[in-house]
Amino acid sequence: KAGVTQTPRYLIKTRGQQVTLSCSPISGHRSVSWYQQTPGQGLQFLFEYFSETQRNKGNFPGRFSGRQFSNSRSEMNVSTLELGDSALYLCASDSGDSGANVLTFGAGSRLTVL
Amino acid sequence: GESVGLHLPTLSVQEGDNSIINCAYSNSASDYFIWYKQESGKGPQFIIDIRSNMDKRQGQRVTVLLNKTVKHLSLQIAATQPGDSAVYFCAETGANNLFFGTGTRLTVIP
Repeated sequence: KAGVTQTPRYLIKTRGQQVTLSCSPISGHRSVSWYQQTPGQGLQFLFEYFSETQRNKGNFPGRFSGRQFSNSRSEMNVSTLELGDSALYLCASDSGDSGANVLTFGAGSRLTVL
Repeated sequence: GESVGLHLPTLSVQEGDNSIINCAYSNSASDYFIWYKQESGKGPQFIIDIRSNMDKRQGQRVTVLLNKTVKHLSLQIAATQPGDSAVYFCAETGANNLFFGTGTRLTVIP
């Protein structure tokens, strides 16, 4: 069973640009969550999508957005990039059914903003 | 709001010794806790979980202890090996998402 796949793995952007990151969840998983990881901050929840709908959202500005497609693949977008957006962006999937679920993470997309 | 924190940011142990990684949480309503391990260049990987109606759960070389009275969670690793070197995160459930602590870096000294 393939794991969670994130692309690209590494990318460099400059301030003001925008970026789109992609995530393919484990087959059969309908929920996709996105996290931002920065040194010393741990993992901060961005948003969660289930059946193409944003089900939950963290405390990030509107520059951070996402969407989910009918095949459960998800993308997140960051517009008007700032230096502080440099981070590892992690995607995780689970079945999305009610009750506690164990998230399976991808390897992440490392974004550097210059 | 919820917050999950760690007592120590770094921990060094001798190979073969036992490791204990601690975590404090603030949301007494959380009913599910998970420990994740993150190695360099990889995403977090599930280690073990525990529900709030339990106080101990054992896996292979790992044990998680939950003390709801003081809202404390710990991960014990027996006979620590070099492959255990990583950053360890505790996480507690929220509404359809997990809240993670900042992590503890475990270094195993050969």
